[in-house]
Amino acid sequence: GENVEQHPSTLSVQEGDSAVIKCTYSDSASNYFPWYKQELGKRPQLIIDIRSNVGEKKDQRIAVTLNKTAKHFSLHITETQPEDSAVYFCAASTGGGNKLTFGTGTQLKVEL
Amino acid sequence: GAVVSQHPSRVICKSGTSVKIECRSLDFQATTMFWYRQFPKQSLMLMATSNEGSKATYEQGVEKDKFLINHASLTLSTLTVTSAHPEDSSFYICSAPLSGTLETQYFGPGTRLLVL
Repeated sequence: GENVEQHPSTLSVQEGDSAVIKCTYSDSASNYFPWYKQELGKRPQLIIDIRSNVGEKKDQRIAVTLNKTAKHFSLHITETQPEDSAVYFCAASTGGGNKLTFGTGTQLKVEL
Repeated sequence: GAVVSQHPSRVICKSGTSVKIECRSLDFQATTMFWYRQFPKQSLMLMATSNEGSKATYEQGVEKDKFLINHASLTLSTLTVTSAHPEDSSFYICSAPLSGTLETQYFGPGTRLLVL
C-alpha cells in the first residue's frame, strides 16, 4: 500500500519568513495530493491540493509543487503569520474519492 | 463548502461498554465515508472505509468485530466501539468525499473518546 513520509516533524520560523514542508510517496498510482492544517483538538482543514497533471499550484501565500518522477511534493508558505502555527499534514490518494494516506505531520510554529 | 458533523463531540465511558459515534454529511450525499483514529501528537490513521448499503472495508490490523461500522443511508455512517478499553481512548474523525469533486474530502469535527 501507499506510504507517505513527511519532513520535518517540527519547524520553527520567524514571522514573515517562508516555511517549506516536504513529503514523499511510494505508490506511483497516486494522483491526488492534498494538504491539511489541523489546530489542536480540531478537524483537519484542506488548505490546498494538487493533482498529478499539474506541477505547481498557488493560492495567495500558499503553494504546492509536485514532482511525479521523484514522487515528492512540497508545501510552501510565504510571509508566515502567527496564525499559521498548527500541524500540517500531507496526504496522497489514487483519487476518485479513494482513501487518503497521511504523512506524519509537521508542527509549524511561527514566532513573533 | 460541504459540512460533515459528528456526534457526540466527546464521550467518557467505562471499560467494557460500547460507544456509538455518528458521522453525518449535512448538505451532500456520501456513498463512501472514512473513519480515522488519531492518537495525541500523531497522524490520522485510516481505520475503515464505510460503504453505503454494503460492508465496510477495514484496514489491516483493525478488528472489524470491535469497531462496527454501519452506513445505513447516504448521509449517515456510524462507528461503534464495542467492549471499549482504555487503549481505545483516542480522537475519532470521519470524512466524506464530495460527489462531483471526486477527491476532495471533508472532515467531521471529531469525537474525543475516553475510556476509564
